[in-house]
Amino acid sequence: EPEVTQTPSHQVTQMGQEVILRCVPISNHLYFYWYRQILGQKVEFLVSFYNNEISEKSEIFDDQFSVERPDGSNFTLKIRSTKLEDSAMYFCASSDQLMSNQPQHFGDGTRLSIL
Amino acid sequence: TQLLEQSPQFLSIQEGENLTVYCNSSSVFSSLQWYRQEPGEGPVLLVTVVTGGEVKKLKRLTFQFGDARKDSSLHITAAQPGDTGLYLCAGHGSGNTGKLIFGQGTTLQVKP
Repeated sequence: EPEVTQTPSHQVTQMGQEVILRCVPISNHLYFYWYRQILGQKVEFLVSFYNNEISEKSEIFDDQFSVERPDGSNFTLKIRSTKLEDSAMYFCASSDQLMSNQPQHFGDGTRLSIL
Repeated sequence: TQLLEQSPQFLSIQEGENLTVYCNSSSVFSSLQWYRQEPGEGPVLLVTVVTGGEVKKLKRLTFQFGDARKDSSLHITAAQPGDTGLYLCAGHGSGNTGKLIFGQGTTLQVKP
């Protein structure tokens, strides 16, 4: 069964450094998402992306965050200058339709640790 | 702001017992989804309920969507240790962008 893959599985970065989290969505999917889950807290929406532009972003997704689909297969999340509070699991998801009864398929996440 | 509240947050039961997890909101959702998440993995979709009053069964799991589409429940019959995990409910936000709003999750431990 096709799956969403994320790399790396664990990223350790010094505070203030840039980090890029990578995702390969399911190949025929058109809608892409990033979520994060701080340890012990709920999964939070960051951003949705369709047709090479952001559809919606949350308050968390400030100017330090950006997303890109550079080559038709990868979907990346960049954090320009990381902060301690950016430490979390980051999940990428994709779906082939926007209809509310259609599932989003999640990757296994990247654990980001900011030191 | 659309919010989903799950209860209980933690549940520890013996194998063979029944349990129910609740997902409540003051907002109407067009559908609600239930996911299960294992440690170190992403959420995996179990079911989507779409119609008010709908009941769906997945083996020993029964999912119900409230008549007013503001709440849902997950009932597990004769729980087994393999049911141990984090159960999440989620609904689509109102902006038709695919955004999912998650509850805080219910951690279930089934002891043999």
